Amino acid sequence: DAGVIQSPRHEVTEMGQEVTLRCKPISGHNSLFWYRQTMMRGLELLIYFNNNVPIDDSGMPEDRFSAKMPNASFSTLKIQPSEPRDSAVYFCASSLARPQETQYFGPGTRLLVL
Amino acid sequence: DQQVKQNSPSLSVQEGRISILNCDYTNSMFDYFLWYKKYPAEGPTFLISISSIKDKNEDGRFTVFLNKSAKHLSLHIVPSQPGDSAVYFCAANFNKFYFGSGTKLNVKP
Repeated sequence: DAGVIQSPRHEVTEMGQEVTLRCKPISGHNSLFWYRQTMMRGLELLIYFNNNVPIDDSGMPEDRFSAKMPNASFSTLKIQPSEPRDSAVYFCASSLARPQETQYFGPGTRLLVL
Repeated sequence: DQQVKQNSPSLSVQEGRISILNCDYTNSMFDYFLWYKKYPAEGPTFLISISSIKDKNEDGRFTVFLNKSAKHLSLHIVPSQPGDSAVYFCAANFNKFYFGSGTKLNVKP
C-alpha cells in the first residue's frame, strides 16, 4: 500500500487566495483526520471523518476553513480566503475504524501564505 | 488549553545512553496513549502505545511508562542511537486524539 497520499507537498500563495489541500487515505481505512502543525501549538486536530461523515470539526479555526470527504478515497481541506497566520504544515491521517485506532499520517503539505 | 503537554521542546543525549521523553496530561478520562516519531519532511509514524489499564509497555529499545496518579507518560529509549534523532509527539485519546507539541531529540554520535 502506498500509504496516505497528500498533495501538493508544498504550496506558496498570496493572502486572500483560495487554497485546496488534498488527501487520499489508505484503502480500507474508515476514519480520516486533518491536522495542522505549528511551532507554537504543535499538532492540532482540525476535523475528522468516519465513513465519509464529519464527526468532530471543533478544531476548525474559523469559517474560512472547510473540509469535505465526497467518497472513501478522497478528502479536501479548503482555506478561503487564506491569511499569513494559516502558514503551517497540514497533515492528513487515516485509521482503520474508530478514532482510537492507530493513525497513519501522510507526508504533509507545507503551506506558506505571503 | 492544551490537555497534553510536552514541556521540553528539545533533548540532547549521547549515543548509547538513555533518552527519556516526558509528557503530562490533564484529562483523567484519557484511556489510550501513544508516541509518534517524526522525521523532517515526513509525517509522524506510530512508535508505541499503552492502554490506561497498564503502567508499562516495552517494544525492543522503547518502553513507555504510564503514571495515572501523576497524569504522566514517559518514553525511554535504551540505548539511544543517532537514527533516533527526530521529533517525538505524545498523544492521548478520549473519543479523539490530543497531541502534545513535540520534543526534538538529538542523539549525538
